[in-house]
Amino acid sequence: GIQVEQSPPDLILQEGANSTLRCNFSDSVNNLQWFHQNPWGQLINLFYIPSGTKQNGRLSATTVATERYSLLYISSSQTTDSGVYFCAVSAGKSTFGDGTTLTVKP
Amino acid sequence: GAVVSQHPSRVICKSGTSVKIECRSLDFQATTMFWYRQFPKKSLMLMATSNEGSKATYEQGVEKDKFLINHASLTLSTLTVTSAHPEDSSFYICSAITVNYGYTFGSGTRLTVV
Repeated sequence: GIQVEQSPPDLILQEGANSTLRCNFSDSVNNLQWFHQNPWGQLINLFYIPSGTKQNGRLSATTVATERYSLLYISSSQTTDSGVYFCAVSAGKSTFGDGTTLTVKP
Repeated sequence: GAVVSQHPSRVICKSGTSVKIECRSLDFQATTMFWYRQFPKKSLMLMATSNEGSKATYEQGVEKDKFLINHASLTLSTLTVTSAHPEDSSFYICSAITVNYGYTFGSGTRLTVV
């Protein structure tokens, strides 16, 4: 099956800092999504981005399908951004990466 | 759009009993839904694919007799954990896929078996 690697596994930021999270995948996919799992376990869909670039407020994402990676940018981070960020890809079935645990300190 | 409702959000049950978790698509029809399990500080593991009107497809290593899935309508899939044991304690999440939004997830069910 498809392998998904996310980096870094853990990230600690000071409020206001910017960050970049990476997702590498091992094969062609027809779907890629970024999710934020909050401390209560809820998975929030951030971007549905099999290719190209999208922006939503302080967040943006870029997927380069031909090179099999996607990046999630968080600018001016806030404490509410804390949680686990998952990348999920699918070519039929969905496969999740292990996530990046982000902690934003005030 | 594309809202998936899951309940209960939290359940505690005694060892040996069965627990049913419901997953509903509220504003769309879902011919296919997915059930995941998540261990603490771990990623989501796909357990099974639930297909409306037919048998679920289970991933390798998932006991289909323990984790019963029923997808009787286009808006409802249920997961029943039968004869639950403490090792079944986990966070269970369902999802459905839509054309415009990709995968949409329910809010999850935290199962504790005592």
